[in-house]
Amino acid sequence: AQTVTQSQPEMSVQEAETVTLSCTYDTSESDYYLFWYKQPPSRQMILVIRQEAYKQQNATENRFSVNFQKAAKSFSLKISDSQLGDAAMYFCAYTFGSQGNLIFGKGTKLSVKP
Amino acid sequence: DVKVTQSSRYLVKRTGEKVFLECVQDMDHENMFWYRQDPGLGLRLIYFSYDVKMKEKGDIPEGYSVSREKKERFSLILESASTNQTSMYLCASRSYKGLATYNEQFFGPGTRLTVL
Repeated sequence: AQTVTQSQPEMSVQEAETVTLSCTYDTSESDYYLFWYKQPPSRQMILVIRQEAYKQQNATENRFSVNFQKAAKSFSLKISDSQLGDAAMYFCAYTFGSQGNLIFGKGTKLSVKP
Repeated sequence: DVKVTQSSRYLVKRTGEKVFLECVQDMDHENMFWYRQDPGLGLRLIYFSYDVKMKEKGDIPEGYSVSREKKERFSLILESASTNQTSMYLCASRSYKGLATYNEQFFGPGTRLTVL
């Protein structure tokens, strides 16, 4: 069965610093997609970044980037120049194929200190 | 922009009541989903719908049913609410245009349901 594990229930970072959130997954599929979603206190889930497994290049979106290690089944999120607005729950999610359902990790609560 | 709306942000119901949670999306998406979010458990899929009048059970369907009579609306029904159904409920939708790629899910703001 596919599973997604986020081993850090809570993380803290100083404003303007860099933080990395960890995610590992278990799958026997070769074609799959990985996502990081952000859920701020307002509760609106927002897609931060996505990675297609067939792409070797790590995805980046402005201050957000991933370190995708396919062999290790690892998909970490790096947030550079952290801002107060980055404080939120972050969920790692996985799906296989193009019509699968998302499987979520349990989330990491990120706090940003001014 | 895609907009997914949910009928209530907060809802308080009594044990045994029939509860309807409504979700509406305005982007003509084929797929819609209902999740339950609990602290320490992440998001768990209750039901999903590939298209109108179609529904599939997710990981935790017990105690819930769904209805999708129109493409834009997906309802979650608690036939007889119980205290263990106190939770945050999130609705999502996504476009399915073929097998070329996986399109992201767009989420509603959530409904926090309390069953007394």
